[in-house]
Amino acid sequence: GAGVSQSPSNKVTEKGKDVELRCDPISGHTALYWYRQSLGQGLEFLIYFQGNSAPDKSGLPSDRFSAERTGGSVSTLTIQRTQQEDSAVYLCASSPQTLNTGELFFGEGSRLTVL
Amino acid sequence: GDSVTQMEGPVTLSEEAFLTINCTYTATGYPSLFWYVQYPGEGLQLLLKATKADDKGSNKGFEATYRKETTSFHLEKGSVQVSDSAVYFCALSDRSGGSNYKLTFGKGTLLTVNP
Repeated sequence: GAGVSQSPSNKVTEKGKDVELRCDPISGHTALYWYRQSLGQGLEFLIYFQGNSAPDKSGLPSDRFSAERTGGSVSTLTIQRTQQEDSAVYLCASSPQTLNTGELFFGEGSRLTVL
Repeated sequence: GDSVTQMEGPVTLSEEAFLTINCTYTATGYPSLFWYVQYPGEGLQLLLKATKADDKGSNKGFEATYRKETTSFHLEKGSVQVSDSAVYFCALSDRSGGSNYKLTFGKGTLLTVNP
């Protein structure tokens, strides 16, 4: 498909385990975003990648969270030593340009449940 | 910092009723404003946008007008359909700051339209 692809769609893990969430953006999109959607909290910005520039990591909630983007395409969000408060839907989005006039194209999200 | 406040849901309407979802914002600069929609089981998608004061964004029968004097961007539709049932998110990007690529979202409003 031509849209943003995320995997897994659902992940159940035990507290303390590490998880990896994957995002495959739309081909040719240089900007990639991770957001977190928690119940009743809206969407929380996590991290932004633009081309070869240093990513904006200002939204990562703790040092247990990290993300990388290899070759300017696929991105992986890693959560180490998961906690119950990490349970949320993790959304990835991509954009062909900076956001002045553009729009974000979102994937369907990865739902993480930490038991 | 930037913030978006939208009316709490859920909102339940009958088909063909008039819809208003209120959205107000706080921004340090001169933002672009957006409404995104999330249909059940799908990713967020842009519904409409406005980039300057008094602009009206419109799409699929929905409208919203950028009101700088009241810092508002209320979403309206004259006659809703069952297929409009979704979660609606108001968002902004602040073009004057260094982070003009970020979208700041409201918490979302769940709309249910009954036949």
